Amino acid sequence: AQSVTQLDSQVPVFEEAPVELRCNYSSSVSVYLFWYVQYPNQGLQLLLKYLSGSTLVKGINGFEAEFNKSQTSFHLRKPSVHISDTAEYFCAVTLFSGGYNKLIFGAGTRLAVHP
Amino acid sequence: DSGVTQTPKHLITATGQRVTLRCSPRSGDLSVYWYQQSLDQGLQFLIQYYNGEERAKGNILERFSAQQFPDLHSELNLSSLELGDSALYFCASSVAGGRETQYFGPGTRLLVL
Repeated sequence: AQSVTQLDSQVPVFEEAPVELRCNYSSSVSVYLFWYVQYPNQGLQLLLKYLSGSTLVKGINGFEAEFNKSQTSFHLRKPSVHISDTAEYFCAVTLFSGGYNKLIFGAGTRLAVHP
Repeated sequence: DSGVTQTPKHLITATGQRVTLRCSPRSGDLSVYWYQQSLDQGLQFLIQYYNGEERAKGNILERFSAQQFPDLHSELNLSSLELGDSALYFCASSVAGGRETQYFGPGTRLLVL
């Protein structure tokens, strides 16, 4: 069965510092991987996704993630964060079977950017 | 703005009651998904509809049901509500039902008192 583990529940960081949010998944089949962001009192917004091809994926707002099949990881990075990046970040894997598409989410990582 | 709309934004009700949450998918999307976000369970998939038909079920309680109408909007019905049903309910939509990206609505926050 697929599962997603986000290794840090909270990540505090200073503005303009780099950040990495870690995500590991387990799956016996090929997966598609996603990062979503949830700003306070808002819905989920897609940051980036990995379907196939290049293992380095670039997303919106300067974020990127690297798919590492051998380590079953899909860590999210940003070289310099802003106060506005303060949000909850969710890693997700899609279980695609029999024509349906179900997202399995990690528990989330709360990124707090401090001035 | 994802193009997915959900109403109402907030809902406060009492235990034992029944409520209906509504979702309109993005224009052209045939699939609708419902998710529940709660503090103790996190984000969980509830159910998927594709072009009016139920496609997949997740951790959806028997007290909950959903449907997708011919105009492709969907409703999630929650009955015999309990305190533990308080959560944020998200609707998402995608073009079909395959590997495409799911786009999420802003959610309906349900509080059961």
